[in-house]
Amino acid sequence: SQTIHQWPATLVQPVGSPLSLECTVEGTSNPNLYWYRQAAGRGLQLLFYSVGIGQISSEVPQNLSASRPQDRQFILSSKKLLLSDSGFYLCAWSVPGQGSANIQYFGAGTRLSVL
Amino acid sequence: GDSVTQMEGPVTLSEEAFLTINCTYTATGYPSLFWYVQYPGEGLQLLLKATKADDKGSNKGFEATYRKETTSFHLEKGSVQVSDSAVYFCALRNQGGKLIFGQGTELSVKP
Repeated sequence: SQTIHQWPATLVQPVGSPLSLECTVEGTSNPNLYWYRQAAGRGLQLLFYSVGIGQISSEVPQNLSASRPQDRQFILSSKKLLLSDSGFYLCAWSVPGQGSANIQYFGAGTRLSVL
Repeated sequence: GDSVTQMEGPVTLSEEAFLTINCTYTATGYPSLFWYVQYPGEGLQLLLKATKADDKGSNKGFEATYRKETTSFHLEKGSVQVSDSAVYFCALRNQGGKLIFGQGTELSVKP
């Protein structure tokens, strides 16, 4: 069966420090991968998605970047964190090519606090 | 652009009460509709889905019917339990394949 792992679960970082959040998927090949952010009291915002190794699409301009160095690995990074980067970050995957009914499966999330 | 609007929370109910969480959407074409649930401290889990008009999605006693005429996908449960306390997200997947979420509705069920 397929599983998705995110780590760390919780992270507290000072303003200006770098960030690296990792997400890996097991049990499937060539998944579509996604990074979302959930700010406190708000819905989910799609940050990045990837349909293959090295292929990254950015949905909103921001202080963050994403990379996909391996088929089932998706990394969210920042060189210098801002206070506004605080939030709950969720990674998700889906099977490509299943049309509009395609389901996204989410990881447990990383709660990032920038102080 | 495509969007999803949910009723604002928090919603507080007593155990065994009837639940309705309203969700309406705006989208071109025929999106698929979803309800996701987020339990405290966890990620999102798919609760139910519907892929075409008049479809009813159901799971764990929750139901939602895809109403094209009213562009709605309201979530209902006849008798809620304390364990249903969570944040519920309505979402649509548009023709471009993007998943668009509502802002979430927090449900708190008291014993």
